[in-house]
Amino acid sequence: NAGVTQTPKFQVLKTGQSMTLQCAQDMNHEYMSWYRQDPGMGLRLIHYSVGAGITDQGEVPNGYNVSRSTTEDFPLRLLSAAPSQTSVYFCASSLGATNEKLFFGSGTQLSVL
Amino acid sequence: GDSVTQMEGPVTLSEEAFLTINCTYTATGYPSLFWYVQYPGEGLQLLLKATKADDKGSNKGFEATYRKETTSFHLEKGSVQVSDSAVYFCALSDGKAAGNKLTFGGGTRVLVKP
Repeated sequence: NAGVTQTPKFQVLKTGQSMTLQCAQDMNHEYMSWYRQDPGMGLRLIHYSVGAGITDQGEVPNGYNVSRSTTEDFPLRLLSAAPSQTSVYFCASSLGATNEKLFFGSGTQLSVL
Repeated sequence: GDSVTQMEGPVTLSEEAFLTINCTYTATGYPSLFWYVQYPGEGLQLLLKATKADDKGSNKGFEATYRKETTSFHLEKGSVQVSDSAVYFCALSDGKAAGNKLTFGGGTRVLVKP
């Protein structure tokens, strides 16, 4: 059982470049989300989705886009990378939408130069 | 808005020592509280949770009690092992907003030495 799969594991970008972080889950979870992890700040919610075709903004959405065309996939797009987006990004999913256990991927370490 | 405050680390312990990681929160209503653990190179995993006041969550020898009067959810383990070396995150969910959104504390790194 693969769980939540994130690709790539590492990425280096130049300022202004765009890229997509991939996230897929095979547990038929309705809820999916993206967090970024910065030292001393814990995890902050970027975007989330409560089902296919539905997305919404979290705490720090600026500079990121998401879409949810299928239940399985929830890609995160950086439109024009900035050094402030250097971080570790985690995708998470859960079966239900409230107080349910979150399953996390292993993360993508992104550096923007 | 909601917030979670954890003690700053790193916390360095010897094997078999007692571990406490303090966590306090600010939230309206009656949030659910969680501890997640992140082992090196991995994503976060749910360690334990409590959904109402005075509930005690427990797992793998770790315990935490939901104290509404002190707005706290301190994590404890009586005898740590080297394998408990990880980063521990306290988190809350207000249970009202859509999307199973969690608010996380800053994390506490724990290093257990043999």
